[in-house]
Amino acid sequence: EIVLTQSPGTLSLSPGESVTLSCRASQSVSDNYLAWYQKKPGQAPRLLIYGASTRATGVPERFSGSGSGTDFTLTINRLEPEDFAVYSCQQYSTSPLTFGGGTKVQIK
Amino acid sequence: EVRLVESGGGLVQPGGSLRLSCAASGLTFGSYAMSWVRQGPGKGLGWVSSISGSGDNTYYVDSVKGRFTISRDNSKNTLYLQMDSLRVEDTAVYYCAKVHSLGYFFDYWGQGTLVTVSS
Repeated sequence: EIVLTQSPGTLSLSPGESVTLSCRASQSVSDNYLAWYQKKPGQAPRLLIYGASTRATGVPERFSGSGSGTDFTLTINRLEPEDFAVYSCQQYSTSPLTFGGGTKVQIK
Repeated sequence: EVRLVESGGGLVQPGGSLRLSCAASGLTFGSYAMSWVRQGPGKGLGWVSSISGSGDNTYYVDSVKGRFTISRDNSKNTLYLQMDSLRVEDTAVYYCAKVHSLGYFFDYWGQGTLVTVSS
């Protein structure tokens, strides 16, 4: 099983700041089969990025993903008020599908 | 617009059973694999089970194998999860999710249904 470790657990930031979130895999994620999701309380998760770097339909350009192998990042440029949420990564290269524990981006 | 609506959650005693349903609309349901993903209290998301578009192939995380059964009725655009021998650690919000055509990641999710296993 591929274990995904996200760091840090929580970040306190102000609107307008930029942030880079980390997702590290316990073994290589083949074909960069890594996705990122945004989750707000009481709402369904939202797909942001797949294939490590491809934005999903309707996702603003301020969200970008990068990385390969075991190290992946999600960058949010100039945080908007609606971006404060929990962000989770998921690998889909190997069964079982696994998610990271999430990084909470909260308002400072 | 794709819409997924879960139902069937509730409070159940350890060892009990529940059947979750997910009604889908706005898509050609039988063309897509579907999955159940859960989030326990204070925990991250966790994949539970998936089923191919035809229903011929099913997949489970080890912790639910032999206890949970995923199925679908393409004539009713509905996904199911039969949960038997429930344990306290199965307590979670259960989400129905559509699998993307390019791989086993999830592009549409329901709002979730809460399953609480407690005596």
